[in-house]
Amino acid sequence: DSGVTQTPKHLITATGQRVTLRCSPRSGDLSVYWYQQSLDQGLQFLIQYYNGEERAKGNILERFSAQQFPDLHSELNLSSLELGDSALYFCASGNTDTQYFGPGTRLTVL
Amino acid sequence: GENVEQHPSTLSVQEGDSAVIKCTYSDSASNYFPWYKQELGKRPQLIIDIRSNVGEKKDQRIAVTLNKTAKHFSLHITETQPEDSAVYFCAASNPSGGSYIPTFGRGTSLIVHP
Repeated sequence: DSGVTQTPKHLITATGQRVTLRCSPRSGDLSVYWYQQSLDQGLQFLIQYYNGEERAKGNILERFSAQQFPDLHSELNLSSLELGDSALYFCASGNTDTQYFGPGTRLTVL
Repeated sequence: GENVEQHPSTLSVQEGDSAVIKCTYSDSASNYFPWYKQELGKRPQLIIDIRSNVGEKKDQRIAVTLNKTAKHFSLHITETQPEDSAVYFCAASNPSGGSYIPTFGRGTSLIVHP
């Protein structure tokens, strides 16, 4: 157990819908990172938040957004969902270079 | 930006054999190199990491070596066991603007046959 929690574990929804994924970092970690992992694909970095502020952006679509709250938990919002958005979404937390991953949310878009 | 190449994509070994996975990176500013093990449908789990101020690090049956000049690093697993079967990812990151955003390799599927 890495100490990073994510909810929900599974999410099934339809195209065009909007969903919110939640992540709670390890105690004491200020950074939260979001990643997307599609079938047979590697880990694609989406966005990083540090102590409530956006720190870095990766290959995140405009339909996706995130935020980090004062208690340091983070939410990833995915809207106008498409079939191709079906993937595992991981968050990770850390303070410097080392990152610890949560268990992931499996999103299925039908 | 950083580019990480990982080889092989699939590695099949017999139980008890050694396994070696190799990665190369392009950005000489990268200074942190973690390795993650991911079982099917599970989270990537950090198994070992190395920073650019050392050339080798060991943890029981796992070791990682780093050659900064050649910009490559490798994961060595000795005395492999069936439970070592998983996908292994290497990554390289540097403290650009205070952010350590790793660039991951595409993964190696390790299969250990009993």
